[in-house]
Amino acid sequence: GAGVSQTPSNKVTEKGKYVELRCDPISGHTALYWYRQSLGQGPEFLIYFQGTGAADDSGLPNDRFFAVRPEGSVSTLKIQRTERGDSAVYLCASSAGGGRSSETQYFGPGTRLLVL
Amino acid sequence: DAKTTQPNSMESNEEEPVHLPCNHSTISGTDYIHWYRQLPSQGPEYVIHGLTSNVNNRMASLAIAEDRKSSTLILHRATLRDAAVYYCILKVTGNQFYFGTGTSLTVIP
Repeated sequence: GAGVSQTPSNKVTEKGKYVELRCDPISGHTALYWYRQSLGQGPEFLIYFQGTGAADDSGLPNDRFFAVRPEGSVSTLKIQRTERGDSAVYLCASSAGGGRSSETQYFGPGTRLLVL
Repeated sequence: DAKTTQPNSMESNEEEPVHLPCNHSTISGTDYIHWYRQLPSQGPEYVIHGLTSNVNNRMASLAIAEDRKSSTLILHRATLRDAAVYYCILKVTGNQFYFGTGTSLTVIP
């Protein structure tokens, strides 16, 4: 079946601009996660949705970052007033839900964001 | 904080076994140990996970120490397609995975 998809695959923007990154999770998965990966580092957690609500947004670095999942499926990560330090790969993952420690997360290919 | 420690890099000859170690000395009693790998320019891919007993699947084996403070991912016969960054992961507060920096595996033909 279809895996997690993310669009766009690459995004180049200028400092100060607004960007939106989209994630389509695996159909039926109630849990959705956003991570950010800088060059040479492992992914870092940003936010976790259970259904439509953000159950844990403790990883969002500041109030320029916001994410929504209005219908409990597709999610959009929004970054306002982008800065060069926001340049990274933004990864989305989904899981069946339930929050069990054993649960597997399925990752998309990521969106590579470059802020000039 | 439940975190993991892995060597930065390892090498293996093709078709030989590879043992990738991970220390997780602060693991909680109910935390599963997850292993993912990330090929260049791709998202992380699930490899295996376990709680206490050793686990096997078609990709790899996971050996978990009796005190659960360390584990080893075993690739039985490394191929060139196994060259990737391997992450040993614990689930920390809530549902987030803590990845660390992983082990970059080079497979030598």
